[in-house]
Amino acid sequence: DAKTTQPPSMDCAEGRAANLPCNHSTISGNEYVYWYRQIHSQGPQYIIHGLKNNETNEMASLIITEDRKSSTLILPHATLRDTAVYYCIVRVAGDYKLSFGAGTTVTVRA
Amino acid sequence: NAGVTQTPKFQVLKTGQSMTLQCAQDMNHNSMYWYRQDPGMGLRLIYYSASEGTTDKGEVPNGYNVSRLNKREFSLRLESAAPSQTSVYFCASVRGVSYNEQFFGPGTRLTVL
Repeated sequence: DAKTTQPPSMDCAEGRAANLPCNHSTISGNEYVYWYRQIHSQGPQYIIHGLKNNETNEMASLIITEDRKSSTLILPHATLRDTAVYYCIVRVAGDYKLSFGAGTTVTVRA
Repeated sequence: NAGVTQTPKFQVLKTGQSMTLQCAQDMNHNSMYWYRQDPGMGLRLIYYSASEGTTDKGEVPNGYNVSRLNKREFSLRLESAAPSQTSVYFCASVRGVSYNEQFFGPGTRLTVL
């Protein structure tokens, strides 16, 4: 069974914030939430990760609900170059493996 | 730094042929990975090497072998290619298990006829 559930696709207007949801209702206490993205035909790129606190870096913000059953990746000012497939991944601390689902295809429109 | 490099970029094989996909990283990372990505799907882990001298099976190891040649290089071998192995193959590396960011190569696009 998939550990995360994401909408298959979403559109976003250039310059606006993009809010990407992810459900992970069976997450365990020692599992982190990771976000990667894959721009067409390229290898995936790490964006951000978190355990229970909200996180922000130069690329995005990650908001995790208090019960940790869902999270939202926020791209504050989407650009055309943010068009990509975004993967939400749950990973146990100390586990070498990442398990990628189908992700959300985000299309940023001018 | 070149990061993670993969060769070749494209390859066409006939059923039953063998080939080796090469991956190298210049970031002094301890762990390396091989994934495959079929059209419209996410990546699936084939094999990984937690550190030099060790390799372990991932989710879809059948039909593949790997070699961690040294700390920099991790190769993936198809001994007898099948059409079901038509895919894009990505190599990745990470400094170690306590680090969070996997760095991916550009991929090898393999077609088996």
